Amino acid sequence: DAGVIQSPRHEVTEMGQEVTLRCKPISGHNSLFWYRQTMMRGLELLIYFNNNVPIDDSGMPEDRFSAKMPNASFSTLKIQPSEPRDSAVYFCASSFEQGAISDTQYFGPGTRLTVL
Amino acid sequence: AQSVTQLDSHVSVSEGTPVLLRCNYSSSYSPSLFWYVQHPNKGLQLLLKYTSAATLVKGINGFEAEFKKSETSFHLTKPSAHMSDAAEYFCVVSESQAGTALIFGKGTTLSVSS
Repeated sequence: DAGVIQSPRHEVTEMGQEVTLRCKPISGHNSLFWYRQTMMRGLELLIYFNNNVPIDDSGMPEDRFSAKMPNASFSTLKIQPSEPRDSAVYFCASSFEQGAISDTQYFGPGTRLTVL
Repeated sequence: AQSVTQLDSHVSVSEGTPVLLRCNYSSSYSPSLFWYVQHPNKGLQLLLKYTSAATLVKGINGFEAEFKKSETSFHLTKPSAHMSDAAEYFCVVSESQAGTALIFGKGTTLSVSS
């Protein structure tokens, strides 16, 4: 298994530009998570999907952030417009959940975003 | 509400000496507990997990952790540190009855000197 795949690995953009991060979860997993990691705040959950449906987006910082999961094998996290304070490493993770039981979350390598 | 506290932000050991990374948790339900490791510029890798089975959990690379409910602790140990163990370690809690989101500790940086 290739594991969770994220692209791009690095993204440098200018303030005001739209940024789209992509994630392919592990085949067979039915839950997908987007996290953000910064020095100041550590690792934070942004949004969580189960069976392609957003379940908890309370961690999404503001309306500039949006996430979609059009099918079981693909998700995007979009920032529009981007700001320098959005600079962080964004991780995608996936797991298999059945009822109230959650299996281990497997993380992708992350996308390092720098907004100038 | 669930939370996790890693008691040391930085731990330094010499190669070949024991490693102890401390973690305390707070949870309303029976928690699942994890330790993840993150090497520089890499993603997070699962070291081990506790899900209400045996209280002593063995993970990869010689690491293990013991769940102590009375102390609400889940400390990570390794008998003998290796240079390649130098990384950031995260203690993580998940309440299976309250959703599956993970709550991460702030991390402990482990330095290993020769």
